Amino acid sequence: LAKTTQPISMDSYEGQEVNITCSHNNIATNDYITWYQQFPSQGPRFIIQGYKTKVTNEVASLFIPADRKSSTLSLPRVSLSDTAVYYCLAWTNTGTASKLTFGTGTRLQVTL
Amino acid sequence: EAGVAQSPRYKIIEKRQSVAFWCNPISGHATLYWYQQILGQGPKLLIQFQNNGVVDDSQLPKDRFSAERLKGVDSTLKIQPAKLEDSAVYLCASSYLQGDSPLHFGNGTRLTVT
Repeated sequence: LAKTTQPISMDSYEGQEVNITCSHNNIATNDYITWYQQFPSQGPRFIIQGYKTKVTNEVASLFIPADRKSSTLSLPRVSLSDTAVYYCLAWTNTGTASKLTFGTGTRLQVTL
Repeated sequence: EAGVAQSPRYKIIEKRQSVAFWCNPISGHATLYWYQQILGQGPKLLIQFQNNGVVDDSQLPKDRFSAERLKGVDSTLKIQPAKLEDSAVYLCASSYLQGDSPLHFGNGTRLTVT
């Protein structure tokens, strides 16, 4: 499994765009990138997933450059409720259910 | 759809006692996971089931932890005897069988061992 590295913490003001970059230098050909969000006293929640280029959903965008050695989660116009821990995971798609290995994540603090 | 249900929400026990956690996954999800999350850390996979068979239990401390998923639906995770270092949140997750299916987590059981 590819090892991922992401900042321990980030701070932002409400209304700003937040970009969290994740490094995964030894990513394998069959590896996908997935981001989860975790609020206190809750389990992690799936945000977005991609293989290369750009993926966008109603919550976030995920940018993965051509070499796939890094990826960036972009949260547009964050609010106080986006304060959470964000996990970047690289996992191998074997065709059956994945095994996810979580790191320590990035703790995002949003203030007024 | 209903989410992953876990109980109890909180549990306090003394060391050397036993404890059990229960999980009811989302209907139709063939794969079920148990994770342990120690305060300040990311979740750590303990065991992964596919239907009622174990796919991966390499990080399960088998001398004290056990898990079962009878009939391929509900699952129970047991600790016997508990140690102080077992204090953590125990998260259950489930997913469809397809490799790119995201995991859906319950809100966990917070265990405190005194």
